[in-house]
Amino acid sequence: TAGITQAPTSQILAAGRSMTLRCTQDMRHNAMYWYRQDLGLGLRLIHYSNTAGTTGKGEVPDGYSVSRANTDDFPLTLASAVPSQTSVYFCASSPQSVPAYGYTFGSGTRLTVV
Amino acid sequence: GQNIDQPTEMTATEGAIVQINCTYQTSGFNGLFWYQQHAGEAPTFLSYNVLDGLEEKGRFSSFLSRSKGYSYLLLKELQMKDSASYLCAVVDSNYQLIWGAGTKLIIKP
Repeated sequence: TAGITQAPTSQILAAGRSMTLRCTQDMRHNAMYWYRQDLGLGLRLIHYSNTAGTTGKGEVPDGYSVSRANTDDFPLTLASAVPSQTSVYFCASSPQSVPAYGYTFGSGTRLTVV
Repeated sequence: GQNIDQPTEMTATEGAIVQINCTYQTSGFNGLFWYQQHAGEAPTFLSYNVLDGLEEKGRFSSFLSRSKGYSYLLLKELQMKDSASYLCAVVDSNYQLIWGAGTKLIIKP
């Protein structure tokens, strides 16, 4: 089934440790996004990539980094996790960077930093 | 600043009709999305409005008034499976999506 695969599904991480959240899509979408979702808040954009080889900062980029070496993969790295990064992380993609086409979301990664 | 307002929670009865409102103040407007999100799952696309008026899609309809900065999602013939959060999102002048916090809809038998 075409779509977006995120891994892991959930993770408990010790503060100060690093971690990479994986995201892979097989729809050949140009644009990809990382969001975090916290209770009572809307989805907040962390980083985005309009096309392979380019990335940009979203609303809440501090403490996170991304890379886009190819069209399919868009990993999100936490270099040194802090408890405030406890959240549900969603990867999303869109055919083009203009979002009129709508986003397809992955199933999410639930991260707890302790 | 940019702001999307939606009610936090609504309750409705199976078989009834419910309207979920969304008001927005954003830097520019290039369209509005509605997404459905079941608990513990990913958001899924429901509708996209860029022009004023009502768009109907089966039991779901979405309305937009750009002059009023207002949209609503109308759900008819409610079913238990419609229990979910409904997210409103606006595309701003930089073509970035600004998301509301979502409305949790509870359907009672």
